[in-house]
Amino acid sequence: DVKVTQSSRYLVKRTGEKVFLECVQDMDHENMFWYRQDPGLGLRLIYFSYDVKMKEKGDIPEGYSVSREKKERFSLILESASTNQTSMYLCASSFRTGITEAFFGQGTRLTVV
Amino acid sequence: SQQGEEDPQALSIQGGENATMNCSYKTSINNLQWYRQNSGRGLVHLILIRSNEREKHSGRLRVTLDTSKKSSSLLITASRAADTASYFCATDANQAGTALIFGKGTTLSVSS
Repeated sequence: DVKVTQSSRYLVKRTGEKVFLECVQDMDHENMFWYRQDPGLGLRLIYFSYDVKMKEKGDIPEGYSVSREKKERFSLILESASTNQTSMYLCASSFRTGITEAFFGQGTRLTVV
Repeated sequence: SQQGEEDPQALSIQGGENATMNCSYKTSINNLQWYRQNSGRGLVHLILIRSNEREKHSGRLRVTLDTSKKSSSLLITASRAADTASYFCATDANQAGTALIFGKGTTLSVSS
């Protein structure tokens, strides 16, 4: 079975901290995605990557950056955490966008205080 | 910009009834997918329907796609309490190197 693993299930950070959310997939998928999910807003795409060292901005990239140095790992970085970044963060991977299904991690619930 | 929009936002039914959720999207697509999310968890893929297909079945799930109306529906037959979850449609923008875009979801509650 495909497995997408996010490094933390729950995380509490202070305003201004640099935060790293890690995601690892074990199926050699080309595409990896970071979404955030907020009540009433659904899933919004932050960044995605279709190859190592490649990245594309999604709908809400402000305040975030990403890193994909290895194919299996996609990191989301909050350069200076703010309270409005308190959210559920979901990582996903897929072999081909729209052609094959996406597999999701269990989510990281981040609280910024 | 979100590609898919689900309707209704929330749906409450009795066990044994059928549940129908709709999804509308804006631009041309390769395929449309439906996902399910249990409370506080990640999403799980349910079914993928290609743009040249009109209907697809998987167990108690039936998905239709009308590309002329840019809409899809998900029917869950003989619903159970375990079907209680949020359901999302997802589309791609029919361009290479694009991501899946999700709607806001329909929250389904099935009472036993």
